[in-house]
Amino acid sequence: ETGVTQTPRHLVMGMTNKKSLKCEQHLGHNAMYWYKQSAKKPLELMFVYSLEERVENNSVPSRFSPECPNSSHLFLHLHTLQPEDSALYLCASSQGWTGYGYTFGSGTRLTVV
Amino acid sequence: DQQVKQNSPSLSVQEGRISILNCDYTNSMFDYFLWYKKYPAEGPTFLISISSIKDKNEDGRFTVFLNKSAKHLSLHIVPSQPGDSAVYFCAASERDSGTYKYIFGTGTRLKVLA
Repeated sequence: ETGVTQTPRHLVMGMTNKKSLKCEQHLGHNAMYWYKQSAKKPLELMFVYSLEERVENNSVPSRFSPECPNSSHLFLHLHTLQPEDSALYLCASSQGWTGYGYTFGSGTRLTVV
Repeated sequence: DQQVKQNSPSLSVQEGRISILNCDYTNSMFDYFLWYKKYPAEGPTFLISISSIKDKNEDGRFTVFLNKSAKHLSLHIVPSQPGDSAVYFCAASERDSGTYKYIFGTGTRLKVLA
């Protein structure tokens, strides 16, 4: 496989559930990102990992918990979410700062019921 | 407060005509700008970029113009094709900020009519 792969593509969860989103990149990049895309809002940066170390956490509620076990994998653990957390969650990777921006995955469409 | 703004949520253009998508930014420290294209059920893909040392960058049918004094950039697509129908995101970055962060706009949905 090449590029950035996200699983699952769709997820419906109740507010008391615990679930995880997975992202895998096969590009040899050293930085990975979680973005949230809600309707009529900009892509919101949630977390940045560089060389497996979290370098940014944009005031994201603690019900979202990222994990980066190695440079190829990134997880977003979800716990007791709210309906307003329903959105498209996009993973991206890059080789440091790059003029070509990020390589994005296809996203996970999350619905919280 | 949105640092990158795309004030037109949607745009319809006839096939063969020019599409012009606009983007405004507020942070004068931004020095690198990109446009991404997104089809439904896919992640955004890089389209074209421009550095603040330039005022124009061209790649085939796509041209990006940067007006630093107005803090405005635009993407021109000529001629527009039905396959160009997608959501277009503008993004901006400070290259020497020490982070790898791009700030995105809300996107403009382009529909090219056959």
